[in-house]
Amino acid sequence: AQKVTQAQTEISVVEKEDVTLDCVYETRDTTYYLFWYKQPPSGELVFLIRRNSFDEQNEISGRYSWNFQKSTSSFNFTITASQVVDSAVYFCALSEAGGATNKLIFGTGTLLAVQP
Amino acid sequence: DAGVIQSPRHEVTEMGQEVTLRCKPISGHNSLFWYRQTMMRGLELLIYFNNNVPIDDSGMPEDRFSAKMPNASFSTLKIQPSEPRDSAVYFCASTTGTGGPYEQYFGPGTRLTVT
Repeated sequence: AQKVTQAQTEISVVEKEDVTLDCVYETRDTTYYLFWYKQPPSGELVFLIRRNSFDEQNEISGRYSWNFQKSTSSFNFTITASQVVDSAVYFCALSEAGGATNKLIFGTGTLLAVQP
Repeated sequence: DAGVIQSPRHEVTEMGQEVTLRCKPISGHNSLFWYRQTMMRGLELLIYFNNNVPIDDSGMPEDRFSAKMPNASFSTLKIQPSEPRDSAVYFCASTTGTGGPYEQYFGPGTRLTVT
């Protein structure tokens, strides 16, 4: 069965600190996709990144970086030099490939509070 | 380009009333999803459509919930009769299904309050 675990319920940091959000997933498939979404206080869900199971290269986008490790079934998200605008709930999600299925299985989310 | 459009943004209704939520997916997207978000249960997938056909409705809570997609640019989620426990934020999302799964783009959500 598919499952996504975000063990950190809430994280509080002070502006300019680096912070890593953990994501551990479970799947029996060899082909799958992982995603991160951001949900700011305004409520909308914003797509951040999509990564397939064959691409273990780490990705960097500005202050954001993602570390994908199949050996530990983890897809962690790091924000460097955090800012108040990064305050949001962050969701990790998993989707198995194949057929007509595009279902996303979401983790429970991590609430990040960046204090000024 | 317009994103996913949902209406209404807020709905307050009394228990027992019928509620209809509406969604217009991004043009060209052929998969549409309805989610419900609550503090207790997080984000739950209710139903999804591929090319206007319901593929998986196993997340629909009970017979009071129904969803339709009469064409590629419109979907509804109906609750009849509504109950206080249906209070939640309901999101619609769409994606292109070809060669996916690709990222889903979410609408702003409808905040439903049933009193």
